[in-house]
Amino acid sequence: DTAVSQTPKYLVTQMGNDKSIKCEQNLGHDTMYWYKQDSKKFLKIMFSYNNKELIINETVPNRFSPKSPDKAHLNLHINSLELGDSAVYFCASSQQTGGFLATNEKLFFGSGTQLSVL
Amino acid sequence: GEDVEQSLFLSVREGDSSVINCTYTDSSSTYLYWYKQEPGAGLQLLTYIFSNMDMKQDQRLTVLLNKKDKHLSLRIADTQTGDSAIYFCAESTTSGTYKYIFGTGTRLKVLA
Repeated sequence: DTAVSQTPKYLVTQMGNDKSIKCEQNLGHDTMYWYKQDSKKFLKIMFSYNNKELIINETVPNRFSPKSPDKAHLNLHINSLELGDSAVYFCASSQQTGGFLATNEKLFFGSGTQLSVL
Repeated sequence: GEDVEQSLFLSVREGDSSVINCTYTDSSSTYLYWYKQEPGAGLQLLTYIFSNMDMKQDQRLTVLLNKKDKHLSLRIADTQTGDSAIYFCAESTTSGTYKYIFGTGTRLKVLA
């Protein structure tokens, strides 16, 4: 069974559309993340949720809205897609509890969603 | 600022050792990690080291940490073609505010 699974794997869409990416983890972890990896492979955190609560919100446009219906799921909705949103989006999870980074936090990543905005 | 820098590319011959280097700026980093990303996949944790250690060995992998110079390296012995991937170092800290920063990634190419 895949530990962190995200769908879809590929997403091709037109500028201005709204799209969602889903993520689920079956590791029993308390914390989930969304990362964005650009074409140069730079990886930057976007959001983090701990037990359904938002704990990190980096400088991300309001068009990006994460939603966590329960601690095993963290979905990412993007409104009014722009060309610059094209990237690979990774979901990840970790065991972190209590909203603070534990002393040794291992991240488990999904296989990524390649978003192409035309 | 908080930067984690790596050289972008490394090419080695199969059977040789690979050394991937990383420099970081935050002296309060508690743990340092190495992740591997294969094509079309997410990052996978390879190994990690606590900041009060100098070295950690795990089979073909050796991690060296020079805390004074804020320099981390990953040595892969007997490099195989299956080791071709992008390697990311990362640092984390427990100094109150969440911080887990990834390096810029090193693309390792192993030549047969």
